[in-house]
Amino acid sequence: DAKTTQPTSMDCAEGRAANLPCNHSTISGNEYVYWYRQIHSQGPQYIIHGLKNNETNEMASLIITEDRKSSTLILPHATLRDTAVYYCIVFSGYSTLTFGKGTMLLVSP
Amino acid sequence: GAGVSQSPSNKVTEKGKDVELRCDPISGHTALYWYRQRLGQGLEFLIYFQGNSAPDKSGLPSDRFSAERTGESVSTLTIQRTQQEDSAVYLCASSLGTERNSPLHFGNGTRLTVT
Repeated sequence: DAKTTQPTSMDCAEGRAANLPCNHSTISGNEYVYWYRQIHSQGPQYIIHGLKNNETNEMASLIITEDRKSSTLILPHATLRDTAVYYCIVFSGYSTLTFGKGTMLLVSP
Repeated sequence: GAGVSQSPSNKVTEKGKDVELRCDPISGHTALYWYRQRLGQGLEFLIYFQGNSAPDKSGLPSDRFSAERTGESVSTLTIQRTQQEDSAVYLCASSLGTERNSPLHFGNGTRLTVT
């Protein structure tokens, strides 16, 4: 899988938008960008994924740059329960699925 | 709807004993995966099932590890003669298919501790 780079940690005030960046400059044309999060002692939770176009679902929005070398996950109205480690993954196959260090998002009151 | 269910959530066993871990995938998901996550480390692929095809066992670390799946439903991961290095969280995931456009949905895992 292509390598991704994310900030180690970010802070966000409750109710504000959380924008989590990810660089994936070596992504290839048929690889998808996936976002997962993991709250302590739970399994990874799927959030959203995309190939080229921006995507939105009930949890978040995903903005992918035109050259596909970076993306941003947006949680529009962060809550305390959104505090977790967020992983940006470039997915090319289940056997090589890797979760890097991720970004620890801390949402504060 | 119901997500991926794993049981037990925690298992403590003595070195040398056999353990069996269970996974109930999301209904309708044809693909099922087992991963291992050691403390502070990333995911390690173990085995993958897709429909009636032969499973991909390329990630199993030794012949002490085996897994079965009945049709497109429950899967069990068996570890024989457990060793202390087997201590980890064992995660199961399922997906609608195996395309890159099919998200994997994970259970909360079974935390295995071998004493």
